[in-house]
Amino acid sequence: KNEVEQSPQNLTAQEGEFITINCSYSVGISALHWLQQHPGGGIVSLFMLSSGKKKHGRLIATINIQEKHSSLHITASHPRDSAVYICAVPHSGGGADGLTFGKGTHLIIQP
Amino acid sequence: KAGVTQTPRYLIKTRGQQVTLSCSPISGHRSVSWYQQTPGQGLQFLFEYFSETQRNKGNFPGRFSGRQFSNSRSEMNVSTLELGDSALYLCASSLRVRSYNEQFFGPGTRLTVL
Repeated sequence: KNEVEQSPQNLTAQEGEFITINCSYSVGISALHWLQQHPGGGIVSLFMLSSGKKKHGRLIATINIQEKHSSLHITASHPRDSAVYICAVPHSGGGADGLTFGKGTHLIIQP
Repeated sequence: KAGVTQTPRYLIKTRGQQVTLSCSPISGHRSVSWYQQTPGQGLQFLFEYFSETQRNKGNFPGRFSGRQFSNSRSEMNVSTLELGDSALYLCASSLRVRSYNEQFFGPGTRLTVL
């Protein structure tokens, strides 16, 4: 069964700072998901990646399959980026499988 | 295109009762997954349905069940409610089997068990 560790658990930064959130998992995977959850509960899927790097606006996600590690970066952070960021991987690594979630990183960007 | 909708949004029940939650996926999406989120356990996978068949199930007791209809709408049912079932229940839809595809989440149903 895959285990997921996210760090840091909490992060407070000033507007404009470069943010990095890390995710490590124990079993090789087919794809890793990054999710964003705002206060009130709504979840948005940010990225799904199985290798390399993906970029969407100010968000960049990278994954190192050999090291079983992924990072989510936010450039030029803004208060509207304040949210919980969660990574998720398949339970046993395969594609058609349930997901195991990290505990999430609570990010606060202060103006 | 309309997003994923869940009904009801809020629900209050008492111990021992049962509850049914509904999820309507994005038009054309055939996969629906259900998740439970609590402060203590975080997000946990409940089950996934694809083309009316349960494809995967998480580690939850048999009191938690679900089904999917031919129009891809899905329901989940929790019988004999316990205080610990109080949670935010989220569903997500995707075009195909979930792990290979981006998931689109609904707003969730917040269940409180008294």
